[in-house]
Amino acid sequence: VQLEQSGAEVKKPGESLKISCTGSGYHFADYWIGWVRQRAGKGLELMGVIYPDDSDTRYSPSIQGQVTMSADKTIRTAYLQWSSLKASDTAMYYCARFGGARFGNWYFDFWGRGTLVTVSS
Amino acid sequence: QSVLTQPPSVSAAPGQTVTISCSGSSSNIGSNYVSWYQQLPGTAPKLLIYDNNKRPSGIPDRFSGSKSDTSATLDITGLQTGDEADYFCGTGDYSLSAGGVFGSGTKVTVL
Repeated sequence: VQLEQSGAEVKKPGESLKISCTGSGYHFADYWIGWVRQRAGKGLELMGVIYPDDSDTRYSPSIQGQVTMSADKTIRTAYLQWSSLKASDTAMYYCARFGGARFGNWYFDFWGRGTLVTVSS
Repeated sequence: QSVLTQPPSVSAAPGQTVTISCSGSSSNIGSNYVSWYQQLPGTAPKLLIYDNNKRPSGIPDRFSGSKSDTSATLDITGLQTGDEADYFCGTGDYSLSAGGVFGSGTKVTVL
C-alpha cells in the first residue's frame, strides 16, 4: 500500500490550489481517505474524510466551507482544493488511508509523505 | 484545542519506560477504539497501535496500548534514542462530523 502525494506548493493569498493523493497496492475505492493538516510545530488536525467509491465526504466543522475534498476512483486519486488561499493555510497536508472496518475502529494505517503548502505574499 | 488531552512532554533515560496518557470523554474514547501514532522529526505519522492494543506488523512489542473508560495509555518500554518523537492518540467521536479526532500530542525525549 502506498499513498503518493503531489509536490510542495508556494502560493500567494487569494490564489487557488488543488493537491492530490494517489493510492496504489489496494482497492482504492473501498477505503476512506482522510486529510490531515499540521501547522509548523503543531499537532495533527483531521480536516475530513472522503469515501472514493461514492465521494461521500465528511468535513470537520472548523474546515467546512474553506476547502473541498473530492476523489476520482477511476484514477485512484483524492484531492484537496482551495478556491482562495490565506496565509493561515500554510501547513503540511497529509492524506491517510482509514483502516478500520467502521468508524468505531478508528485508525489510519497508511500515510502519504505530505504536501507542504506555503501561502505568502 | 483537541478534545483528547495528552501531556505536552515526557522524558526518561534509555532503557526506562515512559507512559503517555490520552484523556477524552464518553463520546470519543468511551465509545470507540483508540489508535496511537509516532511522528519522527521531519516525517509523516506512522501507526503504532490500533483497536486499543493491537500492533501492526513490524511494530516492536516495546510499544503497548490500553484503554479504560474514557482514557487510554501508550507504554514504551526499553526506551531507545530512536524513540524520540511526537506521539498522538486518535479515536472516533460521534459528536464530530468528520467522525474522529487526534490528541494534542506528546513529545518524548530520551535523556
